[in-house]
Amino acid sequence: QVQLQQWGAGLLKPSETLSLTCAVYGASFRDYYWIWIRQPPGKGLEWIGEINHSGSTNYNPSLKSRVTISVDASKSQFSLNLSSVTAADTAVYYCARRNRVVYTSGWSAEYFQHWGQGTLVTVSS
Amino acid sequence: SSELTQDPAVSVALGQTVRITCQGDSLRRYYASWYQQKPGQAPVLVIYDKNNRPSGIPDRFSGSTSGNTASLTITGAQAEDEADYYCNSRDSSANLVVFGGGTKLTVL
Repeated sequence: QVQLQQWGAGLLKPSETLSLTCAVYGASFRDYYWIWIRQPPGKGLEWIGEINHSGSTNYNPSLKSRVTISVDASKSQFSLNLSSVTAADTAVYYCARRNRVVYTSGWSAEYFQHWGQGTLVTVSS
Repeated sequence: SSELTQDPAVSVALGQTVRITCQGDSLRRYYASWYQQKPGQAPVLVIYDKNNRPSGIPDRFSGSTSGNTASLTITGAQAEDEADYYCNSRDSSANLVVFGGGTKLTVL
């Protein structure tokens, strides 16, 4: 049974750095990309970025200048750092596992079946 | 464009069929996945790939794609289906994951 368990500070001041870690249990860490997604209160989902076991990353261009996603494959963990936070970064942050299928037809599919429990991060002075 | 567009709100009478749509250029090459989210909970995957349901998702949920539009259909909506629904895909040209803005489903 795949489980993602995440933790990190829930209250930050403006200009501080958000740090969250997600531990993966019951899944092959090497076979997937691992994702961070956030959801501001009352709003929709926003993809932050992704990483694989070897540290290859992709980031949302809107956050790229402030985001670092890192991995510790020996512990089956990956982490999110978001620098210089403001009130606009207040959100529930989720980690998740990316599944991907590529067909010879050229079509592909990606989906997130396993999610962490979510961490509410509030940025307030 | 990397956007996915969803209707903000849809309603359905109990037991009737409802279709929630998601439009975007990325859907011409990527199958959408669909997530159900109830208040205070993490999103739950309900449909993925061509039209697959994870274990535990009722068979009243189904998915389809035509052109640049993906659809989530609930056949015989139940009260417990009232939730926000999000579609998701990837913009391969920009190499980023995109979500629709979400559709709030009300079961009357």
